[in-house]
Amino acid sequence: AQSVTQLGSHVSVSEGALVLLRCNYSSSVPPYLFWYVQYPNQGLQLLLKYTTGATLVKGINGFEAEFKKSETSFHLTKPSAHMSDAAEYFCAVSESRNTDKLIFGTGTRLQVFP
Amino acid sequence: GAGVSQSPRYKVAKRGQDVALRCDPISGHVSLFWYQQALGQGPEFLTYFQNEAQLDKSGLPSDRFFAERPEGSVSTLKIQRTQQEDSAVYLCASSFGRPLYNEQFFGPGTRLTVL
Repeated sequence: AQSVTQLGSHVSVSEGALVLLRCNYSSSVPPYLFWYVQYPNQGLQLLLKYTTGATLVKGINGFEAEFKKSETSFHLTKPSAHMSDAAEYFCAVSESRNTDKLIFGTGTRLQVFP
Repeated sequence: GAGVSQSPRYKVAKRGQDVALRCDPISGHVSLFWYQQALGQGPEFLTYFQNEAQLDKSGLPSDRFFAERPEGSVSTLKIQRTQQEDSAVYLCASSFGRPLYNEQFFGPGTRLTVL
């Protein structure tokens, strides 16, 4: 069965600092991997996704993530945090063969301090 | 164009009441998903439609939960005899569907509170 683990339910950084949100997955088949962001009272918005090809994926708002098969990881990074990045971030995996349903992690709340 | 819309945005029900939650997907989207997000948790899959066909309902927690999409567009998630543990945000998502993976676009959710 597929699963996603997000280490750290809360991460705090200063504005301008590096953002690193961790995600590890388990999957018996080559996975599709996603990062979503959720702002208060809003729906989930896709930041980036990995399906096939290049393992370093660039997304919106300056975020990127690298798929590392050997480490079963898909960590999300941003070189310089902005106040507007404060939100809840969810990593998700999809079994690529039979269904597009997403399996989500429990989320990481990012706080950005001035 | 318009995104995925859900109604109502907030619903308060007394324990034992039936509720119906509506999802209007993006026009032309073939696939429609329902997820349940409990407080402090990530969304959990409930069910999936391709057009009007319900292809996967493995995530529905009990037979009190029922979903339909009779004309392959609007979908309704119905919960009968609501219980306090049903309190959660119910998210709907739609996508163009297969063969290639397509992004799921999420609605704002319906927050259900069962008293």
